[in-house]
Amino acid sequence: QQQVKQSPQSLIVQKGGIPIINCAYENTAFDYFPWYQQFPGKGPALLIAIRPDVSEKKEGRFTISFNKSAKQFSLHIMDSQPGDSATYFCAATSGSARQLTFGSGTQLTVLP
Amino acid sequence: GAVVSQHPSWVICKSGTSVKIECRSLDFQATTMFWYRQFPKQSLMLMATSNEGSKATYEQGVEKDKFLINHASLTLSTLTVTSAHPEDSSFYICSALGLLMIDEQFFGPGTRLTVL
Repeated sequence: QQQVKQSPQSLIVQKGGIPIINCAYENTAFDYFPWYQQFPGKGPALLIAIRPDVSEKKEGRFTISFNKSAKQFSLHIMDSQPGDSATYFCAATSGSARQLTFGSGTQLTVLP
Repeated sequence: GAVVSQHPSWVICKSGTSVKIECRSLDFQATTMFWYRQFPKQSLMLMATSNEGSKATYEQGVEKDKFLINHASLTLSTLTVTSAHPEDSSFYICSALGLLMIDEQFFGPGTRLTVL
């Protein structure tokens, strides 16, 4: 019940394309859903996050779409650039301890 | 944004030795720090949660006597890998949750541990 399922495992798009990464969860107690970007050999960095009372959030080229009834959320990257090539993780948290449960990750490659 | 540092960034040690990794919140006070390990091309796996001044809470399957965690101050947590073996080789990452930051965890840059 604590799992967050992420797909696809890898994704290749052309520059300017709009990669979409999807995540699904079961635990309805999750109340905060962040997305992280990680470059090789580095720690994850927060990209954008959403709470379940909002259906969409946009920050720059990154947009989260959230479907509470379906227990799914997704990350869209507009006008993708080669510099966006990285591994992306969705996550979810709940409870007073605020422990993050991570998805399995998506390796994104943006071709020039 | 808030900054979390880790030291060392990489370490190579012989089997049987102990290694200490430091995690510091540089510009904020962290009530809670988390320790993760990450194997190549895999996700982050939570090892333990540490709160300042109290014992760490370990995830199931993580040996608390092997991975010693100390959170002595609001800006410093340490992870000591005792009697390290090659299978402990991994990327160790800490994160910190600040006093006024309800949800956002700030991650350190990670420490690459290689045990020969």
